[in-house]
Amino acid sequence: GQQVMQIPQYQHVQEGEDFTTYCNSSTTLSNIQWYKQRPGGHPVFLIQLVKSGEVKKQKRLTFQFGEAKKNSSLHITATQTTDVGTYFCAGPGDTGRRALTFGSGTRLQVQP
Amino acid sequence: EAGVAQSPRYKIIEKRQSVAFWCNPISGHATLYWYQQILGQGPKLLIQFQNNGVVDDSQLPKDRFSAERLKGVDSTLKIQPAKLEDSAVYLCASSLEMASGDQFFGPGTRLTVL
Repeated sequence: GQQVMQIPQYQHVQEGEDFTTYCNSSTTLSNIQWYKQRPGGHPVFLIQLVKSGEVKKQKRLTFQFGEAKKNSSLHITATQTTDVGTYFCAGPGDTGRRALTFGSGTRLQVQP
Repeated sequence: EAGVAQSPRYKIIEKRQSVAFWCNPISGHATLYWYQQILGQGPKLLIQFQNNGVVDDSQLPKDRFSAERLKGVDSTLKIQPAKLEDSAVYLCASSLEMASGDQFFGPGTRLTVL
């Protein structure tokens, strides 16, 4: 079945440093979504990318969808303590259903 | 706009007992999902409803898990009997329609099976 993998599993940065997490799918995706989950919280939708090679920005966050639509990345510039949490990528399943297959997530810790 | 509501927030039971979780999606959202999130992992889909019909339950352990959404609004997820490995957070999410992008998650129910 479809697999969605993320690296790294964990990243610890100093406040002000940049951070990037990478997402790879075993199958081509029609779209990819990114979610953020704060410690003890629930996933919150950040963005959806649909087009091959698409790049979207949200303030200090830059999201990219690969040309082959099998990989994606999230880059945070100048991290802040409010960026702490786990970032998940997710893509629609390969069985035609719309439900999402989530990656294992990248946990970000920001040292003040 | 009210978010997805779930109850209870926490539940502790002993193995072989039964437990039920409730979810009220965002008003007007036709699609409802139940996910299981084990500590340190991403959410894993258990079942997906479109209105009151099941779209996908391929990953639901049907020997012990059941779910329903009788009137196409609220939903309940039941585990009977519970096993130790069922300890997890059970997340309910909803979306406007099956083809829409984002899903809105509820706060989840943290289940501990002793």
